[in-house]
Amino acid sequence: DTEVTQTPKHLVMGMTNKKSLKCEQHMGHRAMYWYKQKAKKPPELMFVYSYEKLSINESVPSRFSPECPNSSLLNLHLHALQPEDSALYLCASSQDSAGGNTEAFFGQGTRLTVV
Amino acid sequence: AQKVTQAQTEISVVEKEDVTLDCVYETRDTTYYLFWYKQPPSGELVFLIRRNSFDEQNEISGRYSWNFQKSTSSFNFTITASQVVDSAVYFCALSSYGNNRLAFGKGNQVVVIP
Repeated sequence: DTEVTQTPKHLVMGMTNKKSLKCEQHMGHRAMYWYKQKAKKPPELMFVYSYEKLSINESVPSRFSPECPNSSLLNLHLHALQPEDSALYLCASSQDSAGGNTEAFFGQGTRLTVV
Repeated sequence: AQKVTQAQTEISVVEKEDVTLDCVYETRDTTYYLFWYKQPPSGELVFLIRRNSFDEQNEISGRYSWNFQKSTSSFNFTITASQVVDSAVYFCALSSYGNNRLAFGKGNQVVVIP
């Protein structure tokens, strides 16, 4: 099973709302990732968790707050977002947390619209 | 710094034609890994292949084939006898040993016309 499940698939939120994106994998992977993808652009790395610890934060604004409750789950808490944060948010996981030599498996993403 | 260049932005082909996607990479690392991903309109990035820098063997998987040439820093991808289901954005990506950041190219939008 090479599945990464993300919920919700679509989300519309106001600039004052608080919402969370959820990601789950049951492949036993120890690295999990959040990416942001704008239309017609490649994915941009936001955060990496390795063994449930935050290992990379690509200078993401604090209105995005990641959380890794356990090795299978990854959340992204959203608060006071701006319209320019509207994008496809992709979660991924991989077996190797630092070697760089294993492929990442991606979820279908959450299409977020901030109004 | 790592960089991946996919020069062709959009490629249209008629069904059953072959299409080749070019990927040129730059890295100073001696051990690195190259990937191809497919992103259909549904949004999910689907892993297609990983190639290690020390393994220049080409690979064929069904209608897909990959040509890795270290001498020209290229990792090209060919779809043979294209089908409408191949319509998607294809990304080439690069990572290095000890660094799980993926450097993506800008992607190739492939449109297969029936």
